[in-house]
Amino acid sequence: AQSVTQLGSHVSVSEGALVLLRCNYSSSVPPYLFWYVQYPNQGLQLLLKYTSAATLVKGINGFEAEFKKSETSFHLTKPSAHMSDAAEYFCAVIVYSSASKIIFGSGTRLSIRP
Amino acid sequence: NAGVMQNPRHLVRRRGQEARLRCSPMKGHSHVYWYRQLPEEGLKFMVYLQKENIIDESGMPKERFSAEFPKEGPSILRIQQVVRGDSAAYFCASSPGQGQGADEQYFGPGTRLTVT
Repeated sequence: AQSVTQLGSHVSVSEGALVLLRCNYSSSVPPYLFWYVQYPNQGLQLLLKYTSAATLVKGINGFEAEFKKSETSFHLTKPSAHMSDAAEYFCAVIVYSSASKIIFGSGTRLSIRP
Repeated sequence: NAGVMQNPRHLVRRRGQEARLRCSPMKGHSHVYWYRQLPEEGLKFMVYLQKENIIDESGMPKERFSAEFPKEGPSILRIQQVVRGDSAAYFCASSPGQGQGADEQYFGPGTRLTVT
């Protein structure tokens, strides 16, 4: 069965520093992986998605993620954090069975220090 | 093109009452998904519907919860006889179901249910 595990429920970085949010996946078939962002009291917004076309995926707001099959990882990075990046980030995998349902990780709350 | 609409945004119910949550998918989308987010947790899949059909309800609690997506009108998630443990944010997502990006799900802003 497909699943994702996010390491670290809370990450805090200084403004301008590198952002690294970790995600490992488990899948018996080539996975489709996603990163979503959730701002306080709002819905989820798709940051980026991996669908096997390219291992380095660029998303919105300067974020990118690299699919590493050997490490079963799909970590999210951003070279320079901005205060507006403070939010909850969810890694997710899509399960293709009878329904294209998304399995979410438990989330990582990103805080940005001035 | 308006996004996924959910209403109400906030809903307060007393224990034992019924809660009805509505979701209007994006224009042209025929597939609807409902997810529940308990406090401090990620989203959990509940049910997947197409027009007039429930495709996968493996994430729905066996009792008190039901969902529909009629031919006309929004999708409805209904919770009967609510209990405090039902307090959560309920998110709806929709997808086109065919063509490019068929499975890409777009999320609504959610309905935050509080049971007192």
